[in-house]
Amino acid sequence: GENVEQHPSTLSVQEGDSAVIKCTYSDSASNYFPWYKQELGKGPQLIIDIRSNVGEKKDQRIAVTLNKTAKHFSLHITETQPEDSAVYFCAAIGDNNNDMRFGAGTRLTVKP
Amino acid sequence: EADIYQTPRYLVIGTGKKITLECSQTMGHDKMYWYQQDPGMELHLIHYSYGVNSTEKGDLSSESTVSRIRTEHFPLTLESARPSHTSQYLCASSELGAWDYGYTFGSGTRLTVV
Repeated sequence: GENVEQHPSTLSVQEGDSAVIKCTYSDSASNYFPWYKQELGKGPQLIIDIRSNVGEKKDQRIAVTLNKTAKHFSLHITETQPEDSAVYFCAAIGDNNNDMRFGAGTRLTVKP
Repeated sequence: EADIYQTPRYLVIGTGKKITLECSQTMGHDKMYWYQQDPGMELHLIHYSYGVNSTEKGDLSSESTVSRIRTEHFPLTLESARPSHTSQYLCASSELGAWDYGYTFGSGTRLTVV
C-alpha cells in the first residue's frame, strides 16, 4: 500500500520568509496529491492540490511541485504571515487506492 | 451551504460511559471516514464507509463501532469509554469514484475520558 513521509515535523520561520514542506510517497500509481491546513481547533482544510499530469501549481503565495520520477512533492509558501501558522498535511491517492494516505504533519510557526 | 458537521465539539465523560459522536454531511457524498488524531498531530484512519450499510475498519485498531443507515449520517460509538480513548476525532467525506478530489473534514470532537 501507499506510504507517505513528511518532513520536517516542525518548522519555524520569520514573517516574510519562505517555508518549504516536503513529502515522499511509495506507490508509483498515486496520481493525486492534496495539501491540507489545520488551524487550532479546526479540522484540516484543503488548500491546494496537484495531479500527476502537471509539475507545478500556484495559488497566490502557495505553490506545490511534483516530481513523479523521484516520487516526491513539496509545498512552498512565500512571504509567510502569522496567519499561516498551522499544521500542514500532505496526502496521496491513486485510482487503485481505497483511501487517501496522509503524511504525519508539519507544525509551521511564523514569528512576527 | 454544503458542509460536514460534528457534534459535540468537546466532551468530557467518565470511564465506563457509552458515548456516540455524531457526524453529518449535506453534500451527498457516498464515502465517509473517521480519523483519530493523536497529540502528535498524525491522522489515524479508524473506520470508513462506501455508502449505506457499508462499514470497514481502518488501519488503527479501535474499540469503537460505526453505522451507516443514511447517506448523510455516520455516527461513531464507544460502548465503554476509557482514558485511553482520550483524543481528537475527525470525520470526513468524499465522493465515491472521485478519487482525485480532496476530502472534506468536520471540525472535530475533542473527547476527554476521566
